[in-house]
Formats: sequence, C-alpha cells, structure tokens
Amino acid sequence: DTGVSQDPRHKITKRGQNVTFRCDPISEHNRLYWYRQTLGQGPEFLTYFQNEAQLEKSRLLSDRFSAERPKGSFSTLEIQRTEQGDSAMYLCASSLLQGSYEQYFGPGTRLTVT
Amino acid sequence: AQKITQTQPGMFVQEKEAVTLDCTYDTSDPSYGLFWYKQPSSGEMIFLIYQGSYDQQNATEGRYSLNFQKARKSANLVISASQLGDSAMYFCAMREDPSGGSNYKLTFGKGTLLTVNP
Repeated sequence: DTGVSQDPRHKITKRGQNVTFRCDPISEHNRLYWYRQTLGQGPEFLTYFQNEAQLEKSRLLSDRFSAERPKGSFSTLEIQRTEQGDSAMYLCASSLLQGSYEQYFGPGTRLTVT
Repeated sequence: AQKITQTQPGMFVQEKEAVTLDCTYDTSDPSYGLFWYKQPSSGEMIFLIYQGSYDQQNATEGRYSLNFQKARKSANLVISASQLGDSAMYFCAMREDPSGGSNYKLTFGKGTLLTVNP
C-alpha cells in the first residue's frame, strides 16, 4: 500500500493557461474524491468518482474544470483558462465502498496562478 | 448555517498535557460519520479518528479519543500526552448519509491550529 499520490506537487502558471493534475489512489479503493483548499479554510468538495463514473460535481466546479477517471484507476483534474482565484491546494482522496469510508488523502497539488 | 463549526482558531498546550479541540456539527440525517484529520505544515491530510452516528462508545485511537455527545451535536477531539509533533492544523469533518444517497463527500470545518510548547 503506497498511499495516494499526486503529481505535480507544485504548479505555477500564468493566468489563462490550462493545467492538468493527476491523482493515483490506493489501488483497491473504488471511490476517488477531489477537494480544493484555500488559505485558512478547510477542504471543499469538488467532485467524486465511483470506479470510472463521475457521480457528483459541486457548484464550485465551473465549466472550466473537468475531471476524468478513465479506467477507474488514476484520475485527472484539468483547469482551463486559469484565473487567479483558482490558486489553491488541490487534494485528492480515495476510499473503499464499504465500511467506515474513511478517506485517505494525497499530499496535494499547490497551484499558483500569476 | 455552517455544518461543521470549530470555534477555536488556535490552541496552545504544554508538552505532555492533554488538550481538547472543539467541534459541533449540524445535520438532519440520522446516519452520519464524524472524522478528525491532522494537517501538518507539509499540507497532507492525515486521518486520525472516526465516529459513526450509531456507535455506542466513543472512538479511541492511541492518544486520540473522540468525545461524542450526540444530543449536543458535538464531537470533540481529545489528544492526551501532547507531543511537539502534534503541532498542526486539525480539521473536524462530517459525512452525511442521506436516505437513498450514495455520495460520501466530507464537509470540513475551518480548523484549529494547535501549538505544542516544550
């Protein structure tokens, strides 16, 4: 069990550019979640997958955001035409379908939009 | 209304002493789960402890215990014998289980910054 991994750990981009983040969950976990955390706040839910199906998207997820989990394993989160307000830590978590459902988080990707 | 309220922006404790971090929650679902996570300065969220709404006993995990008072809708985290490495942000979170629903997203509070003094 290698835990949840995310890549890259840090990303600096200019406003208007597109960025893509990757998350590799714990291998046997069916569920995968994306959260966003801004400075001084707790994480906020963005979207989640059960296997390859994206089952819910938060209203925080504007049309510029898209997430995929094509084979039910790793997931990508893309932000198009980045804005300064997108600067945040993007956290990925995974969990089992059964049991207490505790979510195990990755180290996060810190995005800075200049 | 906030679903998770952590009223202590910051807390200080002496090494080896116990500390209680407060958390109150708001839900109308009879089935839910409560979590505490630790976030060190490195940024990773570390799962500490879980309490289900139907669990009769308070959860314990090593030095961590959750003081669950259902009627008061509180789920305070107690850390015993504090260590310098406990200095971090601590987040309380709730998972609601609406009838017929299957989304187990977590709703987090704003966190409490704990500083352990030597």
